[in-house]
Amino acid sequence: AQSVTQLGSHVSVSEGALVLLRCNYSSSVPPYLFWYVQYPNQGLQLLLKYTSAATLVKGINGFEAEFKKSETSFHLTKPSAHMSDAAEYFCAVSDQGRDDKIIFGKGTRLHILP
Amino acid sequence: DAGVIQSPRHEVTEMGQEVTLRCKPISGHDYLFWYRQTMMRGLELLIYFNNNVPIDDSGMPEDRFSAKMPNASFSTLKIQPSEPRDSAVYFCASSRLAGLQETQYFGPGTRLLVL
Repeated sequence: AQSVTQLGSHVSVSEGALVLLRCNYSSSVPPYLFWYVQYPNQGLQLLLKYTSAATLVKGINGFEAEFKKSETSFHLTKPSAHMSDAAEYFCAVSDQGRDDKIIFGKGTRLHILP
Repeated sequence: DAGVIQSPRHEVTEMGQEVTLRCKPISGHDYLFWYRQTMMRGLELLIYFNNNVPIDDSGMPEDRFSAKMPNASFSTLKIQPSEPRDSAVYFCASSRLAGLQETQYFGPGTRLLVL
C-alpha cells in the first residue's frame, strides 16, 4: 500500500532563509504526489502536485518540489521564507489505477523566525 | 464559487449526545471526502463518496459513526453517541471526476469538542 513519510513534525527557519520540507513516499506504481498547506483555523489547500509530467513542479507562493524516483522523495522548497509561510504542510500520495483516495502524511509545522 | 461549505464551524457537546456535521461540496464535484484531524493521529480519511455512493468507509472508526449523501449537494457525518475521544477537527473535501490526480478542495472544518 502507498504511504508517505514527512521528516520533522516541526521546522523553524529564519525569514529570508531557504525552506526545505522533506517527504518520502512508498508506492508500488508511479505515484501522483501533492503538497497541501493549512493555515491556522483553515482547511487544506493545494500548493502543487506532480502527475508524471515535469519532475520539477512549481506551485503557488514561490514553492516548488522535485520528484526524485531514485530517492522516492518529493521535497518541498522555497528559496526565501516569508512570515506568511508559517503554516502546516502536508505531503500526500496516491497510486495510479488504484483506489480513488490519497494518503496524507502527518504534516510538518513550519515556523518562521524574525 | 463559494467553495466547500461546512456547518457548524464549532460544536461543543456532552458525552452521549448525537452530533451531526454537514457539508455542501463544490457544485459539479463528483467525489466527497470526510477527514478527521487530531494532534495524535494527524489527518485521517474516514469515508468517501462517488456520485453520492459510499465507496470506502474503512476509515470510519466505529459503528457510532455514520455518513450519508442523499444528493449531490449535501452530506452528513453523524456520531451517536459521541465520546470525548471524538474531539477533533472534521474536514469535508470534494473533487471532480476520476479523482486520483484531481485536486481536493477542503472546507474550513468543524471543530468538535465532546465534554
